[in-house]
Amino acid sequence: GAGVSQSPSNKVTEKGKDVELRCDPISGHTALYWYRQSLGQGLEFLIYFQGNSAPDKSGLPSDRFSAERTGGSVSTLTIQRTQQEDSAVYLCASSLAGVAETQYFGPGTRLLVL
Amino acid sequence: KNEVEQSPQNLTAQEGEFITINCSYSVGISALHWLQQHPGGGIVSLFMLSSGKKKHGRLIATINIQEKHSSLHITASHPRDSAVYICAVDPWGTGNQFYFGTGTSLTVIP
Repeated sequence: GAGVSQSPSNKVTEKGKDVELRCDPISGHTALYWYRQSLGQGLEFLIYFQGNSAPDKSGLPSDRFSAERTGGSVSTLTIQRTQQEDSAVYLCASSLAGVAETQYFGPGTRLLVL
Repeated sequence: KNEVEQSPQNLTAQEGEFITINCSYSVGISALHWLQQHPGGGIVSLFMLSSGKKKHGRLIATINIQEKHSSLHITASHPRDSAVYICAVDPWGTGNQFYFGTGTSLTVIP
């Protein structure tokens, strides 16, 4: 595709429900990143995939968060039993081959947990 | 402790002014990124630096690896440059962490 796409663009959910966020990276990009930006806060790194594997998941805020990537392309970020503090914009980015490269950002998914 | 510090936090300039935003970091890095985030929220990568200096249009980015410092300069600033500018570093290219500065909010007044 022309750029990184994310879906949904907006998601409102009730506390305790599970949500799944999707990221479609630029075709051919092997590296994929998930970030979070809470209201009025800076960007926070969540996880990085090289191909289908994520070498380190320690950036995920809690064990309610999980991420996977299949086929070296689409990635999903799943938040189980959502809490109000999970409300944020979740951003995905991709780069051609890995770290120390220009990243291309998606438009983000705005998540609101009521 | 924040691994990446930016200054100033907020900056207001008159159109045409020369602007400098500074970034200091405390870890060894493989690359430093300057990002731009417009009020609508979209993020664009402006530069990725591992040494020296890069120029793109009216934007110039420099990095001093020994001093762990980078600057972003905007020449002949314009109201459309109004945005949040974010410095971020790749610590030694592991991909396991990615440290961000808190951003500099720039407003350019016509």
